[in-house]
Amino acid sequence: EAGVAQSPRYKIIEKRQSVAFWCNPISGHATLYWYQQILGQGPKLLIQFQNNGVVDDSQLPKDRFSAERLKGVDSTLKIQPAKLEDSAVYLCASSPEGLASTDTQYFGPGTRLTVL
Amino acid sequence: LAKTTQPISMDSYEGQEVNITCSHNNIATNDYITWYQQFPSQGPRFIIQGYKTKVTNEVASLFIPADRKSSTLSLPRVSLSDTAVYYCLVLASGAGSYQLTFGKGTKLSVIP
Repeated sequence: EAGVAQSPRYKIIEKRQSVAFWCNPISGHATLYWYQQILGQGPKLLIQFQNNGVVDDSQLPKDRFSAERLKGVDSTLKIQPAKLEDSAVYLCASSPEGLASTDTQYFGPGTRLTVL
Repeated sequence: LAKTTQPISMDSYEGQEVNITCSHNNIATNDYITWYQQFPSQGPRFIIQGYKTKVTNEVASLFIPADRKSSTLSLPRVSLSDTAVYYCLVLASGAGSYQLTFGKGTKLSVIP
């Protein structure tokens, strides 16, 4: 079974530029998550989709971050404009259901963003 | 929202049993506790999950006391390949929605 795919794996941009990340979840998984992981910290949930609807985006900085999940499959996360503090690894995860508390999340390898 | 607290780091020799404790004082009555393992440059990977008492699978055990304010991940006979960061994750649920919160993680270093 193919895992969660993310691209690009690495990205370097200047502050105030825009950047987009792509995620392809495991086939058939209803729920997709985007996390931000700053060096030395645990992952922080940015947004959670159930199919193509948003379940939780309470920690998403909506003035600069946006995300969409078209047709309930792939997803993109965008930052515009980027700030220095956005330097982090952006992890995508998927789970079969997502609303059940026992659901296991499967993570992709992440995209490492460096903002200069 | 339930917060979690873990030791920042631990060292262990190969072959020893390692116990990593996570405190989650404000866990709701219907929260589960999940543990993930993360290697450098990889996403976290599920290890084990439990609600109460003891859960065991092929790689670890999870002990949860009756008050459920903490949980302990037990790794039997660790090897060098168990060197990683371990996170506890509390699923705080209620009213049909929940928020996922990872702790800062415990960096386990296994020494030959």
